[in-house]
Amino acid sequence: GAVVSQHPSWVICKSGTSVKIECRSLDFQATTMFWYRQFPKQSLMLMATSNEGSKATYEQGVEKDKFLINHASLTLSTLTVTSAHPEDSSFYICSAAGGAFDMNTEAFFGQGTRLTVV
Amino acid sequence: GNSVTQMEGPVTLSEEAFLTINCTYTATGYPSLFWYVQYPGEGLQLLLKATKADDKGSNKGFEATYRKETTSFHLEKGSVQVSDSAVYFCALRRYSTLTFGKGTMLLVSP
Repeated sequence: GAVVSQHPSWVICKSGTSVKIECRSLDFQATTMFWYRQFPKQSLMLMATSNEGSKATYEQGVEKDKFLINHASLTLSTLTVTSAHPEDSSFYICSAAGGAFDMNTEAFFGQGTRLTVV
Repeated sequence: GNSVTQMEGPVTLSEEAFLTINCTYTATGYPSLFWYVQYPGEGLQLLLKATKADDKGSNKGFEATYRKETTSFHLEKGSVQVSDSAVYFCALRRYSTLTFGKGTMLLVSP
């Protein structure tokens, strides 16, 4: 399958600072990228969907001003957690898909980023 | 709305034991169903999928059958290996949105 690389794998930051997480598709052009959040012993919850060159579509309850998503190129999307607080500590996972995203298109996942805010 | 329920873990088995991880779903229409696997330190990988009722997905010795009458997609493997130790996620997809279960950790001991 295609490769999606997420960086960093883990990060610790101080409360009030911002953290950027990168998601790269290494061998295909990702027209659609998804960002998920996973709390311990919980499901992956979709935060937002982004299409290259367009504004991200956020799921209900996700603060767009806190979780800034940029999908400026076909191989890179970034998630910036602004003014992070301890409750933002979580596991963040990106997913990417190429071409026209329909029922038969497979999405490939990054390895995830463990964010700890202290 | 759509939802996926899978059995709580961890599931602990000895090598060569039979594996079943239960998954049931609630969805409108006709979703596609998936099993993903997440090995330690890695991202989710698609294990198998089924796109319509009575379809059977299979890969690496794992199987799951799309049962519309019971809204289930249970994962099975006849003989597990230590290398199968991972977290398994059941998921459904309607249009572009994937809905995941909470994941089930499988631990296989030699």
